[in-house]
Amino acid sequence: ELKVEQNPLFLSMQEGKNYTIYCNYSTTSDRLYWYRQDPGKSLESLFVLLSNGAVKQEGRLMASLDTKARLSTLHITAAVHDLSATYFCAVDNNNDMRFGAGTRLTVKP
Amino acid sequence: GAGVSQSPSNKVTEKGKDVELRCDPISGHTALYWYRQSLGQGLEFLIYFQGNSAPDKSGLPSDRFSAERTGGSVSTLTIQRTQQEDSAVYLCASCRGGSGANVLTFGAGSRLTVL
Repeated sequence: ELKVEQNPLFLSMQEGKNYTIYCNYSTTSDRLYWYRQDPGKSLESLFVLLSNGAVKQEGRLMASLDTKARLSTLHITAAVHDLSATYFCAVDNNNDMRFGAGTRLTVKP
Repeated sequence: GAGVSQSPSNKVTEKGKDVELRCDPISGHTALYWYRQSLGQGLEFLIYFQGNSAPDKSGLPSDRFSAERTGGSVSTLTIQRTQQEDSAVYLCASCRGGSGANVLTFGAGSRLTVL
């Protein structure tokens, strides 16, 4: 069974700081997705990574994929309060879509 | 429709009753997923439908849970003899399926509370 592990599960940051969230998975896959969930809301797509070495950036967030290491990272640059949310990675193994446990990010002033 | 629709949005039931949760995916999306999210937790995979293939039921937690997808469109998740531990938000998502990018579009969820 495909296993997806995220860490950290909880992250409290100060505004302006940088940090990285990690997503490890247990099987070969070259399709990985990042989603954001705000409290009380459903999940929304952030990034789609479809090959080894893929890098995507949107504002203060940058996601990358290393399929050989079975690792994806979500890097936060100069955090702002609006980034406070829960971030999930999801690994696509022939349409079998499994999610990590999520990283709850809180950005404090 | 324009998005994934789930109903009911909230359901409160008594322990031992049966409940049905409905998901109407985006038109043309061949893949449909059900996940369960307990308060403050991640997404637990329940079941996955792809086109006319047999569904992947490997995530269903017990035989009290079942799901079907009629005509490749609407799906119903049924929980029989509900227990308090079934209380959670049940999320449905759909995507095109296939070999390309499969970005899931999620519904707003059905919040189930078992008293």
